[in-house]
Amino acid sequence: DAGVTQSPTHLIKTRGQHVTLRCSPISGHKSVSWYQQVLGQGPQFIFQYYEKEERGRGNFPDRFSARQFPNYSSELNVNALLLGDSALYLCASSFSAISGTGELFFGEGSRLTVL
Amino acid sequence: GESVGLHLPTLSVQEGDNSIINCAYSNSASDYFIWYKQESGKGPQFIIDIRSNMDKRQGQRVTVLLNKTVKHLSLQIAATQPGDSAVYFCAETTGGYQKVTFGTGTKLQVIP
Repeated sequence: DAGVTQSPTHLIKTRGQHVTLRCSPISGHKSVSWYQQVLGQGPQFIFQYYEKEERGRGNFPDRFSARQFPNYSSELNVNALLLGDSALYLCASSFSAISGTGELFFGEGSRLTVL
Repeated sequence: GESVGLHLPTLSVQEGDNSIINCAYSNSASDYFIWYKQESGKGPQFIIDIRSNMDKRQGQRVTVLLNKTVKHLSLQIAATQPGDSAVYFCAETTGGYQKVTFGTGTKLQVIP
């Protein structure tokens, strides 16, 4: 079975632009979470979606938004990009919304560079 | 506020020796504590977790110890192998939804 897949794997944008990152969860998983990982640091929670509804939001500005589609795939959108948005964006999926964290499976991420 | 921090940024271990990675946390309300392994160019991979009402849990070659009195978590890896070389994150979660709070990571280098 395929794991969590993310696209694109790498992308370069300039300040002020907009970016859309995509995630396909493991088949059967209904929950998708997004994390930002700045180089040298641990991932930071951005959003969790379950059954197309936002279930949790981290401490990120309104420039960050996300949505989940009927097939449980998800998009993360970032507007008005800043240099500090350069990071690895990780998507994680799980079957349920609340349960032991061992069920959280991460993709390999989308590496965003903002120039 | 919530925070999970690691004591050492880099740990070098001889192949075959045991590794111990330590972590301090501050959130007494955490439900689960988790260890993740992240290899270069990959996403974090779950290793083992422990519920807050436990003090020890063992997996295959790994053991996690939780000391709630001093808010300390450790990961022990037995007979460390070159494939164990990676960055290890301790993390915690509080019930309600799956927001996982990660620490800054410890890089484990296995010397052949």
